[in-house]
Amino acid sequence: GQNIDQPTEMTATEGAIVQINCTYQTSGFNGLFWYQQHAGEAPTFLSYNVLDGLEEKGRFSSFLSRSKGYSYLLLKELQMKDSASYLCAAWDSNYQLIWGAGTKLIIKP
Amino acid sequence: SQTIHQWPATLVQPVGSPLSLECTVEGTSNPNLYWYRQAAGRGLQLLFYSVGIGQISSEVPQNLSASRPQDRQFILSSKKLLLSDSGFYLCAWKTGDHTGELFFGEGSRLTVL
Repeated sequence: GQNIDQPTEMTATEGAIVQINCTYQTSGFNGLFWYQQHAGEAPTFLSYNVLDGLEEKGRFSSFLSRSKGYSYLLLKELQMKDSASYLCAAWDSNYQLIWGAGTKLIIKP
Repeated sequence: SQTIHQWPATLVQPVGSPLSLECTVEGTSNPNLYWYRQAAGRGLQLLFYSVGIGQISSEVPQNLSASRPQDRQFILSSKKLLLSDSGFYLCAWKTGDHTGELFFGEGSRLTVL
């Protein structure tokens, strides 16, 4: 079956760095997304990786290894507003989007 | 620029009552449209998606239905709500190519009592 795994919850300190991991098992692969979702709000797009390597966007970076079925989202210089859930999702070969359950990130002062 | 709106934002309905959630997209044509449901603390569950007017694919058997009467309008309905229909409903769109990101509406929180 198809599956995306990510930790349920993580805690980090304001100003620090945190890495949220995501592993995927899909029938084929056509790219992986990271979304941010604040409580009670809709998800907002953060990043899209289709090739191996690191994509950097300001304080956020996303990494992909297709051979390992693995991605991570790296958040630097954490701010309180980064407290949110982070969702990993991947397109399979049938262009169905498979979603992880999300990682709730708690930022402490 | 493209925008997506869904309404109502919040609703409380009794068991057995009907439901209608609406979603419209502006600034693009022939989008792929999606309805998702998210239970508290859970991931996104795809309910329906549409690649064109009148074309609806259902992913989960349930008492919900969807319609796409116009190119940029997507409606989620139910004739009789169940307690288990409570959740956060999200409409989303993407361009018609195979990959690319989804853009979400603001969400509709449904509580069935």
